[in-house]
Amino acid sequence: GENVEQHPSTLSVQEGDSAVIKCTYSDSASNYFPWYKQELGKGPQLIIDIRSNVGEKKDQRIAVTLNKTAKHFSLHITETQPEDSAVYFCAASRGYKLSFGAGTTVTVRA
Amino acid sequence: ETGVTQTPRHLVMGMTNKKSLKCEQHLGHNAMYWYKQSAKKPLELMFVYSLEERVENNSVPSRFSPECPNSSHLFLHLHTLQPEDSALYLCASSQVGMRQTDTQYFGPGTRLTVL
Repeated sequence: GENVEQHPSTLSVQEGDSAVIKCTYSDSASNYFPWYKQELGKGPQLIIDIRSNVGEKKDQRIAVTLNKTAKHFSLHITETQPEDSAVYFCAASRGYKLSFGAGTTVTVRA
Repeated sequence: ETGVTQTPRHLVMGMTNKKSLKCEQHLGHNAMYWYKQSAKKPLELMFVYSLEERVENNSVPSRFSPECPNSSHLFLHLHTLQPEDSALYLCASSQVGMRQTDTQYFGPGTRLTVL
């Protein structure tokens, strides 16, 4: 089955700096790659996603890049703010089955 | 209510109890999912229901029993659980059925503690 690895497990950044989270996947047939943000006491919330026919996607301060050849994708958050502090999960899927990374705890220092 | 709702939000039960978790989606979606989230581990898919069929993770113990009476409601019936079953149980839904890739939207979860 699909195996998704996510790094780093924790990330501390100064407010205003950028944060980058990287994921690799094993199944070359995976074609959908969402990113979720989970705040304390809440369920994961979709923040951005990308499909395998696209190499990059941007939404305001958030961007995702996908390298199908290398089977890795990354989340970039620019101009980080305190409200960006949360756990971020990457996932990869083919069909209905989402395989998740273990998560990255991001802390934005004021 | 909007999105995906789950009740109760917190549940403490003994190993001999029987309880049920409820999920309701208000998005008009056709597929619903149960996930288990344990500390320091990736989310684990337990069950999937859609208009066409049900799929389950064969590693899920039989003490977890799902029920999906219609496309908007999903239940997880619990009986004779073990302390290691303590976790956050998340419900999700997606618009299309299991044969296609689609965005999954999650509820807030039920924090389950088994004593």
